[in-house]
Amino acid sequence: DVKVTQSSRYLVKRTGEKVFLECVQDMDHENMFWYRQDPGLGLRLIYFSYDVKMKEKGDIPEGYSVSREKKERFSLILESASTNQTSMYLCASGGGRTYNEQFFGPGTRLTVL
Amino acid sequence: AQSVTQLGSHVSVSEGALVLLRCNYSSSVPPYLFWYVQYPNQGLQLLLKYTSAATLVKGINGFEAEFKKSETSFHLTKPSAHMSDAAEYFCAVSQTFTSGTYKYIFGTGTRLKVLA
Repeated sequence: DVKVTQSSRYLVKRTGEKVFLECVQDMDHENMFWYRQDPGLGLRLIYFSYDVKMKEKGDIPEGYSVSREKKERFSLILESASTNQTSMYLCASGGGRTYNEQFFGPGTRLTVL
Repeated sequence: AQSVTQLGSHVSVSEGALVLLRCNYSSSVPPYLFWYVQYPNQGLQLLLKYTSAATLVKGINGFEAEFKKSETSFHLTKPSAHMSDAAEYFCAVSQTFTSGTYKYIFGTGTRLKVLA
């Protein structure tokens, strides 16, 4: 059974903290994605990666960075968490073709106080 | 640039009634289109996808969608709603870059409520 796992389901952090969200996939996919999901706004792409050490900005990259040192792992980093980054964060992975399905993890609900 | 619009952020249907969730897309090239479902406290899972092979696409759990180029639509339907269909549904279009990489653009979602 294919799987995308995320390090935490729920996370509470304080303003100014550095936050790491980890995502691991076991499907040998080239592409990995980080989205944030907010009510009424759907899913918005933060960053994506099409290969190890390669990354592309999505639609809302400000305040975030990413790291992909190994093919199966894609990390999202909040350098200095702010309250407006309270959200649901979803990781996904997908094959190399644009018509390929994306597989999603269960999400991390991050609250920044 | 590609985009999708989902009409109706909330839709309510009675159990056994037809489900119709609307999605319109904008694309300068032949699109690849997707419908995903999200059950409470879960990630998204694929219902079906259009990749130009056939305009009527059948998916899981009895859902289907019809690609209509003239209307730039890809509406999701199910003949008879079941209580277990209550979830949030997202339409998406893929956008390919000259580098060969791609991304999905998601609609804002439609929350389906099924009434007993």
